[in-house]
Amino acid sequence: GAVVSQHPSWVICKSGTSVKIECRSLDFQATTMFWYRQFPKQSLMLMATSNEGSKATYEQGVEKDKFLINHASLTLSTLTVTSAHPEDSSFYICSGHARGGKETQYFGPGTRLLVL
Amino acid sequence: AQSVTQLGSHVSVSEGALVLLRCNYSSSVPPYLFWYVQYPNQGLQLLLKYTTGATLVKGINGFEAEFKKSETSFHLTKPSAHMSDAAEYFCAVTNRRDKLVFGAGTILRVKS
Repeated sequence: GAVVSQHPSWVICKSGTSVKIECRSLDFQATTMFWYRQFPKQSLMLMATSNEGSKATYEQGVEKDKFLINHASLTLSTLTVTSAHPEDSSFYICSGHARGGKETQYFGPGTRLLVL
Repeated sequence: AQSVTQLGSHVSVSEGALVLLRCNYSSSVPPYLFWYVQYPNQGLQLLLKYTTGATLVKGINGFEAEFKKSETSFHLTKPSAHMSDAAEYFCAVTNRRDKLVFGAGTILRVKS
């Protein structure tokens, strides 16, 4: 149980374009979802926390207008990287809390973004 | 605020040898502690967690960890390493208000 999927797993795009990444909880309802980014050989850095039906809370230094997060349902959250640039290239990972198990986050497989 | 320190960015063991990955935490409230494993180009998989109760926690794949409050530690062990254990391991802490704080990670290499 507690499976999270992400789509796409890999994306290559041109500089200036926007990219949408989907995060789905497949077998549980996630009232809260998290978005992380991970640079090579580094740990995960929390970007934002999203609660279903409300605006996301962004961590300090994360541009909310650049990284748009929508948590439209209890099983789907999306991250849109707007006007992507090469420095946005990274590994993006989402996670979610299962209802009734708020202390544990279950992670998706990640999305590798390469901006040319 | 919480913080996590993982001692040793790289650990190398021989197949069949004991695995010990160190994690020390800082928390102003009783912590929840986690170990996650990450294989290349994949997300994080939960190995085990400590919330309350028994301080020795058993997880998947033969791993276990012991919460030692006096030492503010939550070290991860496995009696006998297997080649498939080679991966990166992350220790994390939360103050129960959702946000996880991760350590820098430890890459485990298993030699045949």
